[in-house]
Amino acid sequence: DAMVIQNPRYQVTQFGKPVTLSCSQTLNHNVMYWYQQKSSQAPKLLFHYYDKDFNNEADTPDNFQSRRPNTSFCFLDIRSPGLGDTAMYLCATSRNRVEQYFGPGTRLTVT
Amino acid sequence: AQTVTQSQPEMSVQEAETVTLSCTYDTSESDYYLFWYKQPPSRQMILVIRQEAYKQQNATENRFSVNFQKAAKSFSLKISDSQLGDAAMYFCAYRRMEYGNKLVFGAGTILRVKS
Repeated sequence: DAMVIQNPRYQVTQFGKPVTLSCSQTLNHNVMYWYQQKSSQAPKLLFHYYDKDFNNEADTPDNFQSRRPNTSFCFLDIRSPGLGDTAMYLCATSRNRVEQYFGPGTRLTVT
Repeated sequence: AQTVTQSQPEMSVQEAETVTLSCTYDTSESDYYLFWYKQPPSRQMILVIRQEAYKQQNATENRFSVNFQKAAKSFSLKISDSQLGDAAMYFCAYRRMEYGNKLVFGAGTILRVKS
């Protein structure tokens, strides 16, 4: 089945220690998104790629970076995680500019 | 800027009964999409139903249907014959008509289903 895959599903990192989350998709979608979702809140868009074009949200901290080496993969890098970065990180994809399809998320805990 | 409001933080429904979740939005656009997403506890967010603003007919997907009132900017979700598996956080979302089709989410409604 075509899907959006996120690895790892759970990640624990120490304060200030860089961490990378990955997302892959078999849907051949050209748009990929990264969201941060804190407990019982709506997802907050961090940035998205439209093909190779990177689009950052104005309020996304510089601490968050992303890479998209090819259509299928996208990475979220947190350079120096703080305690406030503990959250669920959701990857989503879209092809026809209508629906977004979400992965299962990576639950990140910063200690 | 578009905003989406879900005024019900929590709702409860008895199994097999019907429940309606409310959503209102604010926009100056005439053409757009609206969605309801379901997020069960610790599980994946999935698309429940979508509505295209230029279509007058309300969308329906099995037990899920919407009441789309464009003039009132209202987009409620009706769940019929509620099942235990319907228990989840439900998000209403508006798709902005711009590059990348960014979604604007409401705050969510927690739906509890009682057996």
